[in-house]
Amino acid sequence: GNSVTQMEGPVTLSEEAFLTINCTYTATGYPSLFWYVQYPGEGLQLLLKATKADDKGSNKGFEATYRKETTSFHLEKGSVQVSDSAVYFCALSSNTGKLIFGQGTTLQVKP
Amino acid sequence: SAVISQKPSRDICQRGTSLTIQCQVDSQVTMMFWYRQQPGQSLTLIATANQGSEATYESGFVIDKFPISRPNLTFSTLTVSNMSPEDSSIYLCSVRTGAQETQYFGPGTRLLVL
Repeated sequence: GNSVTQMEGPVTLSEEAFLTINCTYTATGYPSLFWYVQYPGEGLQLLLKATKADDKGSNKGFEATYRKETTSFHLEKGSVQVSDSAVYFCALSSNTGKLIFGQGTTLQVKP
Repeated sequence: SAVISQKPSRDICQRGTSLTIQCQVDSQVTMMFWYRQQPGQSLTLIATANQGSEATYESGFVIDKFPISRPNLTFSTLTVSNMSPEDSSIYLCSVRTGAQETQYFGPGTRLLVL
């Protein structure tokens, strides 16, 4: 069946460090892939998405590339800020339209 | 995108009581969903709210415990019935819209059951 696996957290970085959060998936067909972010005390916000292989989603300095050959959608940012501290969820859209979420990765950025 | 509001934003309830959560969207959408996020956990889909027919529940969730209404294409309610402390969670409404069928989420309702 469909599934999403994210690297375990928490991930703790200093401000301006490079961020990578790994995400791999298992799916039939060609799902759309998403990163959502949940800031403390808030709901989920769509961060970026990619709908087909080799697409790159980007937003607010974050990027992720849909890699079909490695079934991955790793999230990257060149220089994190304290305000990026949040929980990040990788997700795929199954062929029934339902979202399948990874377990979430907590990012803590220290000044 | 879609603008989604939920009421209440948070509540503290006594066990054995019920709470109805409202979800309002700023545009007509076909697909609306209800999710649960238990403390420190990821999101679990409770059900798909269908307009004009009964909701479609995921495994482990039943209508008697989580009745859902969907009277039109912009509004839905989720009731958490006969609550117990295990129901303490964030409940999120979500809609799927747009040319690429992206899902957007409401701000969530934070429920604490004592």
